[in-house]
Amino acid sequence: KAGVTQTPRYLIKTRGQQVTLSCSPISGHRSVSWYQQTPGQGLQFLFEYFSETQRNKGNFPGRFSGRQFSNSRSEMNVSTLELGDSALYLCASRPTGTEGYNEQFFGPGTRLTVL
Amino acid sequence: QKEVEQDPGPLSVPEGAIVSLNCTYSNSAFQYFMWYRQYSRKGPELLMYTYSSGNKEDGRFTAQVDKSSKYISLFIRDSQPSDSATYLCAMTRNSGNTPLVFGKGTRLSVIA
Repeated sequence: KAGVTQTPRYLIKTRGQQVTLSCSPISGHRSVSWYQQTPGQGLQFLFEYFSETQRNKGNFPGRFSGRQFSNSRSEMNVSTLELGDSALYLCASRPTGTEGYNEQFFGPGTRLTVL
Repeated sequence: QKEVEQDPGPLSVPEGAIVSLNCTYSNSAFQYFMWYRQYSRKGPELLMYTYSSGNKEDGRFTAQVDKSSKYISLFIRDSQPSDSATYLCAMTRNSGNTPLVFGKGTRLSVIA
């Protein structure tokens, strides 16, 4: 089974621009979560989508948004980029509907640099 | 105070050493406790998870959870250079809908 894929892997933008990142989950996984990873704050939860609906949201400003499509693929968008948005953005998918812990499988991430 | 605290290291040990990695947390509602390993330029991968208090062993790795102290540990026996990575603790309130809360990660180097 193919793992979680993220595109692009690397991105350089300038302040004020917007960016869209894409995530394809593992086949059959309907839950997709996004995390931001920085050296200062570590891994922080952005939001989770399930069946095209946002199910959970972290403590990030409204410039960060996302969506999920009917095939479970997800995108996240950051508008009006700031220098502090430079980070590794990780997407994770997990199975749902089973008892016990549902492991989250992470993609390799998109490294965003804002100049 | 962050919900999950983890010493960022870096930690450098000789090959064959026993490594101890730890996290403390403040939210008593956490029920599932995970350890992830992240190699450079890769996403995190799950090493082990434990439900509630107790120990869990998998090969050279042992995870311990002490909910009364709000303290979790990961032990690596007979450490190998291939264990060199960043280790992240994570926890969540239940297995379903709540997101993971991560520690900042500890960077480990095992020197041959």
